[in-house]
Amino acid sequence: ILNVEQSPQSLHVQEGDSTNFTCSFPSSNFYALHWYRWETAKSPEALFVMTLNGDEKKKGRISATLNTKEGYSYLYIKGSQPEDSATYLCALILTGGGNKLTFGTGTQLKVEL
Amino acid sequence: DGGITQSPKYLFRKEGQNVTLSCEQNLNHDAMYWYRQDPGQGLRLIYYSQIVNDFQKGDIAEGYSVSREKKESFPLTVTSAQKNPTAFYLCASSITLFVERGYGYTFGSGTRLTVV
Repeated sequence: ILNVEQSPQSLHVQEGDSTNFTCSFPSSNFYALHWYRWETAKSPEALFVMTLNGDEKKKGRISATLNTKEGYSYLYIKGSQPEDSATYLCALILTGGGNKLTFGTGTQLKVEL
Repeated sequence: DGGITQSPKYLFRKEGQNVTLSCEQNLNHDAMYWYRQDPGQGLRLIYYSQIVNDFQKGDIAEGYSVSREKKESFPLTVTSAQKNPTAFYLCASSITLFVERGYGYTFGSGTRLTVV
């Protein structure tokens, strides 16, 4: 089973701070990487799907980068707001793995006023 | 609005009983998935289905069964053979099993199963 590691496990920041988290994975046989945001009592919501080395995606204040050669992706949040508080999940699909997502344990972000 | 409906939100069962969790989608998605979440662990794949009448085991299929008789529906049965059934169960769907078009998964809101 593929090991997808996310760090840190949890993070507390002040409103207005910028922050970033890491998703690490074995770099061989990479096919696609997904980022999801999961707010308490809601469904996980897709943020980005990334497939190419060097890919950068952006949605508002949130952006992500991907380095498949070294096996990591960063998720950045600029100017964090309380509504950004959620668990951020990284998930991968490996080639030859049946096109199914393997999830990391997530980074829990709490943005305080 | 299109989406995925999981019911019920909370479910209690006695040990030794089978229980079926419902998952319905009106997104016209081909692929559907069942994941399980336990404290401190990532979502783990139980079963997935690419098309009607076809499904494959995920990483932790033992003690579970599924059916896909309709495109919209992918119920999960937790059998008495599942040793640790108490968990949070999430259903998801995607347009296609293949991700080269860049589509993410759409998730339901989950069912929390407690077996006593």
